[in-house]
Amino acid sequence: EAQVTQNPRYLITVTGKKLTVTCSQNMNHEYMSWYRQDPGLGLRQIYYSMNVEVTDKGDVPEGYKVSRKEKRNFPLILESPSPNQTSLYFCATGNTGELFFGEGSRLTVL
Amino acid sequence: QKEVEQNSGPLSVPEGAIASLNCTYSDRGSQSFFWYRQYSGKSPELIMFIYSNGDKEDGRFTAQLNKASQYVSLLIRDSQPSDSATYLCAVMGNAGKSTFGDGTTLTVKP
Repeated sequence: EAQVTQNPRYLITVTGKKLTVTCSQNMNHEYMSWYRQDPGLGLRQIYYSMNVEVTDKGDVPEGYKVSRKEKRNFPLILESPSPNQTSLYFCATGNTGELFFGEGSRLTVL
Repeated sequence: QKEVEQNSGPLSVPEGAIASLNCTYSDRGSQSFFWYRQYSGKSPELIMFIYSNGDKEDGRFTAQLNKASQYVSLLIRDSQPSDSATYLCAVMGNAGKSTFGDGTTLTVKP
């Protein structure tokens, strides 16, 4: 079954404690991307990757890092989380612009 | 001005009616246009994509694109209560950057 798997699905953490949200896809897609969704602000792109070892900033990259060492994985790293990074995060993958989303990771930073 | 703007809604239509969702975009170089449906608490799922001017039909859904007017629309015919969701318009650039509208919430009343 084609899947985009995110972990953790829910996380409550404290300011400054580094965390990583993993994303893995079994669809063999080149393209992967991270979004955050906030009420009234819609889905905003954080980072995207057109291929292995290639990453680019989206609209809201500040405070986030990513890496793409292999095709199937695209982790999102928050080195020093702050309360304004409390959000619902989605990972997505696709080949021709049509995106398939993971189930989302709800992150709360206290 | 936002890069992708949708009619703010919420939109309410009776069962069996046509629901019309509209989207405008600012980047004239945009190539690919998508409509996603997002049920409450779920991840977005792709329902339509369109790349060329004109209409594209898939079952009860029709996407319309007018690049000269920078306008994309989605028509849902014979609306059903199961169509009640938030609809997201998305624009993808050639380099992989994607921009979403804030979404229009549709309610179909039985």
